[in-house]
Amino acid sequence: TQLLEQSPQFLSIQEGENLTVYCNSSSVFSSLQWYRQEPGEGPVLLVTVVTGGEVKKLKRLTFQFGDARKDSSLHITAAQPGDTGLYLCAGNAGNNRKLIWGLGTSLAVNP
Amino acid sequence: KAGVTQTPRYLIKTRGQQVTLSCSPISGHRSVSWYQQTPGQGLQFLFEYFSETQRNKGNFPGRFSGRQFSNSRSEMNVSTLELGDSALYLCASSVGLTGYNSPLHFGNGTRLTVT
Repeated sequence: TQLLEQSPQFLSIQEGENLTVYCNSSSVFSSLQWYRQEPGEGPVLLVTVVTGGEVKKLKRLTFQFGDARKDSSLHITAAQPGDTGLYLCAGNAGNNRKLIWGLGTSLAVNP
Repeated sequence: KAGVTQTPRYLIKTRGQQVTLSCSPISGHRSVSWYQQTPGQGLQFLFEYFSETQRNKGNFPGRFSGRQFSNSRSEMNVSTLELGDSALYLCASSVGLTGYNSPLHFGNGTRLTVT
């Protein structure tokens, strides 16, 4: 069974702090997506990473795909209250087209 | 461009009843996927429809079914509701079949409570 483990499960920090959340698996993925879900809304795609070792930046968010395409990380610099939400990673194993989802990291950024 | 629309937003049903949820995808999107989201299990894939055909299915009992119409709108039905069916049901549309080159666009979900 393919699994994606996200850590930490919960994170509560002060505005201005930096943080990193992780998405790990023993399986290889052809691509990995990161989504953010705010309360009462559906997940919104942040980024898709495809190439091993790839780094993508979205303003204060930096996403990295592991060299072996088994893991990924999301680093947020100088977190803002607007970054609060559930961060989900989803891996695409390729053939069967089902996305494998992690349980998410619930982030709270306090002003 | 209008986003994915799910109706209703909230539903309260009793055990044993059945329920139908509706999803209107983004215009031009031909794939619709359904997910169940609960705090303990996270996002669980139910099924994906493309061009009115079910293309992929998750590990849910036959009480969960769906269909897609010619205009790509989709409905999901749950029969003989159980307490454990209480969850947020999310619909997502994409241009093509789910994959890295066809990202998912989610609606805001239907919150189903079974009492």
